[in-house]
Amino acid sequence: ILNVEQSPQSLHVQEGDSTNFTCSFPSSNFYALHWYRWETAKSPEALFVMTLNGDEKKKGRISATLNTKEGYSYLYIKGSQPEDSATYLCACNTSGTYKYIFGTGTRLKVLA
Amino acid sequence: EPEVTQTPSHQVTQMGQEVILRCVPISNHLYFYWYRQILGQKVEFLVSFYNNEISEKSEIFDDQFSVERPDGSNFTLKIRSTKLEDSAMYFCASSEEGTSGNTIYFGEGSWLTVV
Repeated sequence: ILNVEQSPQSLHVQEGDSTNFTCSFPSSNFYALHWYRWETAKSPEALFVMTLNGDEKKKGRISATLNTKEGYSYLYIKGSQPEDSATYLCACNTSGTYKYIFGTGTRLKVLA
Repeated sequence: EPEVTQTPSHQVTQMGQEVILRCVPISNHLYFYWYRQILGQKVEFLVSFYNNEISEKSEIFDDQFSVERPDGSNFTLKIRSTKLEDSAMYFCASSEEGTSGNTIYFGEGSWLTVV
């Protein structure tokens, strides 16, 4: 059974600080990992899709890395801004399935 | 930017009533999904749909649930006889292809409250 864990559950940082959070998953049969940014009352916004060990993706101040051998992905935010406040979700699937398993999310609050 | 739209945004229904949640996926997408999130819990997969049939479903998606693409643009989730535990945010999603390298786009969700 695929179980996806995210840590920390919530995080408060000051504006301008850089931060990172973790998504952990079982490394066997891993196929893909998606990161989403989800603001209340909006749809989850796709940030990255990662499939290969060693993948690094970047979008503005946000970047992500993937280690499929040890079963984790890091999401980094450089110079956090109040508008980065959201819940960051990761979701993974195993080969041969459309079913994505989500983590509980990391709730980020950036204080001005 | 194209987006997945869902209606209604919020519905309150009596236990035992039928509910239909509607979704308009992104127009060139071929794969469609329903997920749900019960308050305080993880987002859970319900069903995926391709080529007018269910391609995969979870153990949650029992005989009370059905999906349909009635007219080539809408994608609906029907819950035949709602239970209290069906109260959740239901998300529709779509993707261009079903391969895992493809981005899955989510709608804003339909919040269902069963009383």
